[in-house]
Amino acid sequence: AQRVTQPEKLLSVFKGAPVELKCNYSYSGSPELFWYVQYSRQRLQLLLRHISRESIKGFTADLNKGETSFHLKKPFAQEEDSAMYYCALRVSGGAQKLVFGQGTRLTINP
Amino acid sequence: EAGVAQSPRYKIIEKRQSVAFWCNPISGHATLYWYQQILGQGPKLLIQFQNNGVVDDSQLPKDRFSAERLKGVDSTLKIQPAKLEDSAVYLCASTTLRGLNTEAFFGQGTRLTVV
Repeated sequence: AQRVTQPEKLLSVFKGAPVELKCNYSYSGSPELFWYVQYSRQRLQLLLRHISRESIKGFTADLNKGETSFHLKKPFAQEEDSAMYYCALRVSGGAQKLVFGQGTRLTINP
Repeated sequence: EAGVAQSPRYKIIEKRQSVAFWCNPISGHATLYWYQQILGQGPKLLIQFQNNGVVDDSQLPKDRFSAERLKGVDSTLKIQPAKLEDSAVYLCASTTLRGLNTEAFFGQGTRLTVV
């Protein structure tokens, strides 16, 4: 079965410090991986996807198939990065089921 | 483009009562998801539609939950009868049918409290 694990429920760092939110997945096929973010009082929205290899709001994430990980990183945290972050896996082919991790609440302290 | 619309935003009911949630996805999106998000947890997929057909309902508690998507557009999710443990935010999301790594768009959710 497909599973996404985010080991940290809470993460707190100071402004300007590096941030890394961990995500590990379990899936036997070829994964499509995403990071979604939910800011206070806003709806869940896409932050970035692995296929794009893009940097969004200074965040990047690299898919490591050997370690089955898709960690989210930012070199210098900003206060506006405080939010809930969810790692998600989409099963390729067929139903394209979208499975989420438990989420990590990131707090950036001034 | 207009986003995913859900209603109501909030609902409080007593246990054993019935409740229904409505979702209007983004126009043209063939895939529609319903998720249950209990406080402190990630979204859990309840049911997935492709057009008006169910493609995954493996985690839907079918003894009390039902969902339909008439004409492949709007969808309703019903709980009958509700239990205390059904208290959660119910999220609807939609995405296009085809394409790699397509984005899922979420509604604001319906917060259900069962007392």
